Order: sequence, then C-alpha cells, then structure tokens
Amino acid sequence: AQSVTQLGSHVSVSEGALVLLRCNYSSSVPPYLFWYVQYPNQGLQLLLKYTSAATLVKGINGFEAEFKKSETSFHLTKPSAHMSDAAEYFCAVSVGNLIFGKGTKLSVKP
Amino acid sequence: DVKVTQSSRYLVKRTGEKVFLECVQDMDHENMFWYRQDPGLGLRLIYFSYDVKMKEKGDIPEGYSVSREKKERFSLILESASTNQTSMYLCASSTDRHFMTSRSSYEQYFGPGTRLTVT
Repeated sequence: AQSVTQLGSHVSVSEGALVLLRCNYSSSVPPYLFWYVQYPNQGLQLLLKYTSAATLVKGINGFEAEFKKSETSFHLTKPSAHMSDAAEYFCAVSVGNLIFGKGTKLSVKP
Repeated sequence: DVKVTQSSRYLVKRTGEKVFLECVQDMDHENMFWYRQDPGLGLRLIYFSYDVKMKEKGDIPEGYSVSREKKERFSLILESASTNQTSMYLCASSTDRHFMTSRSSYEQYFGPGTRLTVT
C-alpha cells in the first residue's frame, strides 16, 4: 500500500538558513508526489509536484524538491529561509486520491 | 483565479445537532473531496465525489454523509454531531476524469477550511 512518512513534526530554522523538510514514500508503482503548504488559518496550496519528468522539481517561493528513487525520498529544500515561510508543510502521494503525510510545522527564528 | 469557498470559517454546535458544511467551487471540476485535519494526524479523507450524485467513502466516513446535487456544490453532513467530530474540515476539488482508476497528476485546490467545535 502507498504511504508517506514525514520525518519531524516540527522543524525550526533561523532566518537565512537552509530549510530541509523530509519526506519518504512507499509505493508499488512509480509515484506522483506533491508538496503542499498551509499558512495559518488557510487551506492548502500546491508548492510543487513530481510526475516522472525531471527529478529535480522547482516550485513556488524558491522551494524545490528532488525525487530519489533509490532512497524513496522526496525532500523539500529552500536555500535561505524567510520569516514568511513559517507554515505547515504536507507531503502527499497520489494513488488516484491523495495520501498525505502528517505534516511538518516550520518555524523561522529572526 | 480558481476558487473553492466554504460556507463558514468557524462553527460551534451542540452534541446531537445536525450540521451542514457547504463547499462551492467555480472551476467546473468533476471531483470534490472532504477531509478532516487534526494535529499530528495530517489530512484524512472522509468522502469524495467524482460526478453529480456520485459519492465514495474515504478512509473515515463513519458519522458523516455527503450530498452533491449540483456539480459546483458538495455538502458534508454530520447527522448527529459528537464531540469527537470537533476538527478542521477542508474541502477540495480537482479535474481528472480518470483519477479513480489510476494515479493523478492533477493538483487539488483547497478551500480555507471550517473549524467546527462540538460542545
């Protein structure tokens, strides 16, 4: 069965530091993978998605993610954190429907 | 600009009340979804619909029902609200006619959520 595991329910970084949010997936077929972001008191919006084209996917707001089949990972990165990046981030795998990870809350310290 | 709207941002109901949560999308999407979001549990799918009057159970349908009489509107119904249904409810929509038979590359568009408190 397909599933997604996000390592770390809370991640805290300093402004300007590298952001790394981890996501590992389990899938019996080549997966389609998504990262969504949820800002406080808002719904989710798509950051980026992998649909088996380029393994390095660029998204909005300077985020990118790399699909690594050998590691079954799809980690989200941003070179330099900004205060406005504070939000909850969800990784998801598509099996038709989306299966979401439990989320990682990112805090950014000034 | 695509839009999914939910009828209420905050709702407080009493145990045993019948509760309706409404969702409307303006993108002519075939598919609509209801999720609940709880801290530490992520998003869990309650019900979804792939066409007018069609519905399918998700992972946690117990205690809920849905209605889709028009393509743009998808309602979630709590027949008799209970305190364990206190949660954030998110509606979403997507366009992909084949998503039920294969993985979908189409994104889901989410509404702002309804925070329901049952006392």
